[in-house]
Amino acid sequence: QLQLQESGPGLVKPSETLSLTCTVSGASISSSSYYWGWIRQPPGKGLEWIGSISYSGHTYYISSLKSRVTVSGDTPKNQFSLQLSSVSAADTAVYYCARHGYSDNWYFLDYWGQGTLVTVSS
Amino acid sequence: DIQMTQSPSSLSASVGDRVTITCRASQSINKYLNWYQHKPGKAPKLLIYAASSLQSGVPSRFSGSGSGTDFTLTISSLQPEDFATYYCQQSYRTSWTFGQGTKVEI
Repeated sequence: QLQLQESGPGLVKPSETLSLTCTVSGASISSSSYYWGWIRQPPGKGLEWIGSISYSGHTYYISSLKSRVTVSGDTPKNQFSLQLSSVSAADTAVYYCARHGYSDNWYFLDYWGQGTLVTVSS
Repeated sequence: DIQMTQSPSSLSASVGDRVTITCRASQSINKYLNWYQHKPGKAPKLLIYAASSLQSGVPSRFSGSGSGTDFTLTISSLQPEDFATYYCQQSYRTSWTFGQGTKVEI
């Protein structure tokens, strides 16, 4: 059974870098054709895809955050990570990691972590 | 990035009602459209992928349709456990944007 678990600080100071890790069990992040992504939900708002990394290490980011976001993978540890720099209160959100599963040519987010709340505050 | 617009933003319904939610893409996305259900404090759940394919284990009262820019999620007979927020998401390009969500409440 595939499981994903987010970990990292729950409180980050403004202007600092938010760092989260997603530990994957039950599948390898280097398995062919899968992507692994980060999604967030600010309080009272909707879901926002942030960025993803492919099985081969290619990365993809939402345009609005591209200058501040890095998604990276650690194959030996079977983890992938999110770094978001120069954070502000607007980055306060529940952060989810998820797998982009696929069927034929169709991609979708089929497995999710439980989410972790990150608050940006001094 | 492709913009996704859902309507309505919220709706009130009763158990047994037929509910329809629409999603419009800012450009044609073929059938690269997924639907998710999200309840407070839980991870989102995939309902429909490729616009109309039901994810394994999802009740058949959920159905999806559409292609190009206009899509629909239908719940044929609303059940108590279906009160939640629903999101569409495009997977046409490697920039997987969501709609703003539709909250289904009593």
